[in-house]
Amino acid sequence: GEDVEQSLFLSVREGDSSVINCTYTDSSSTYLYWYKQEPGAGLQLLTYIFSNMDMKQDQRLTVLLNKKDKHLSLRIADTQTGDSAIYFCAVYTGGFKTIFGAGTRLFVKA
Amino acid sequence: GAVVSQHPSRVICKSGTSVKIECRSLDFQATTMFWYRQFPKQSLMLMATSNEGSKATYEQGVEKDKFLINHASLTLSTLTVTSAHPEDSSFYICSASQGAGVGQETQYFGPGTRLLVL
Repeated sequence: GEDVEQSLFLSVREGDSSVINCTYTDSSSTYLYWYKQEPGAGLQLLTYIFSNMDMKQDQRLTVLLNKKDKHLSLRIADTQTGDSAIYFCAVYTGGFKTIFGAGTRLFVKA
Repeated sequence: GAVVSQHPSRVICKSGTSVKIECRSLDFQATTMFWYRQFPKQSLMLMATSNEGSKATYEQGVEKDKFLINHASLTLSTLTVTSAHPEDSSFYICSASQGAGVGQETQYFGPGTRLLVL
């Protein structure tokens, strides 16, 4: 079946860039998402990319999509302590079905 | 835009009682709503998908008689945990989307409901 994989942890220093990676298996994916979850809260949609795009930039966030390798990444520039959270990669595969990765826990050290 | 609310945010109940959780889309019509369960430090587990006016589709292993889902209108879905037991204690999150068409399938999440069954 479809699968979305992410590394579980990432630790960076404040001010550095963070890169969170995600791989997926379903080549028919149309929309790919990044969500952020802070402790005790729901998921906040950060950004998304359509499958015919290679890159999308939104302020400090840059999403890169490599369709050939089925690889999605989220780069956060100038990472701040407020960026500490869990980041979920999600892939829409059609028919009301969105597959979520397990989430990457980002730790930002001051 | 695209705000989803959940109520209550926290609930504590006694074992054997039923608990109802509401999920509302505040500024858009949610053709499809999803209910997830999240255990501490784990990912989301999809429990069921519901479309307005029809029966929910439950994921494998989720007891539909225990987790009753009603999607009565385009802005409201409810999850009722019946005869709750301590193992039902969890963080329940709903999400809503406008549908499955291009540009309509993005899910917007509620803030979650923490259920503790004593």
